[in-house]
Amino acid sequence: QKEVEQDPGPLSVPEGAIVSLNCTYSNSAFQYFMWYRQYSRKGPELLMYTYSSGNKEDGRFTAQVDKSSKYISLFIRDSQPSDSATYLCATGTPSTGKLIFGQGTTLQVKP
Amino acid sequence: NAGVTQTPKFRVLKTGQSMTLLCAQDMNHEYMYWYRQDPGMGLRLIHYSVGEGTTAKGEVPDGYNVSRLKKQNFLLGLESAAPSQTSVYFCASSYRRGTSRHYEQYFGPGTRLTVT
Repeated sequence: QKEVEQDPGPLSVPEGAIVSLNCTYSNSAFQYFMWYRQYSRKGPELLMYTYSSGNKEDGRFTAQVDKSSKYISLFIRDSQPSDSATYLCATGTPSTGKLIFGQGTTLQVKP
Repeated sequence: NAGVTQTPKFRVLKTGQSMTLLCAQDMNHEYMYWYRQDPGMGLRLIHYSVGEGTTAKGEVPDGYNVSRLKKQNFLLGLESAAPSQTSVYFCASSYRRGTSRHYEQYFGPGTRLTVT
């Protein structure tokens, strides 16, 4: 079993839809949780970061972590065609300096 | 600042050939990483370095070697390329543990390698 599981999709939604992206993880020692966004043929870039359970909001994006169920979510409101990308969840512990990535979910937002 | 740069951007190798991928960063980061990305597999850590002169194995180190002789450079070597090493390779860097935003990894644009 992978330490971080993510449905690879692809996921296709109409413009303006609310998008929900999800990951599960197995190691309760993981302490911080991230979402990276990767456009086609580019390197990933950090989108959201959180260190605790609960919600964190940044514009149209909300990251949610439930440590009790080991569940990570990213919500995108009013999705735009420019949101079309692959979204990778990642988690890790400060002691190692390493991140464990999910498989990535490919999202297409159609105009 | 250029951030993280990778050389070359594309390469085609024949089975058994060797090559070195170069990663350079100008952000004075302590930590550097090499990943490979394959369809449906996400990013998998090959090797990483927590400082100049130090390296450590990641999740999929077999068939690769690395060196970090200078803080700003991290080299990934393939001594005898195999078709299974066909992939997109990403280098990343981050601040050391204990500094603010140490968790944020900055990625290069990737190197697309095909081994025939």
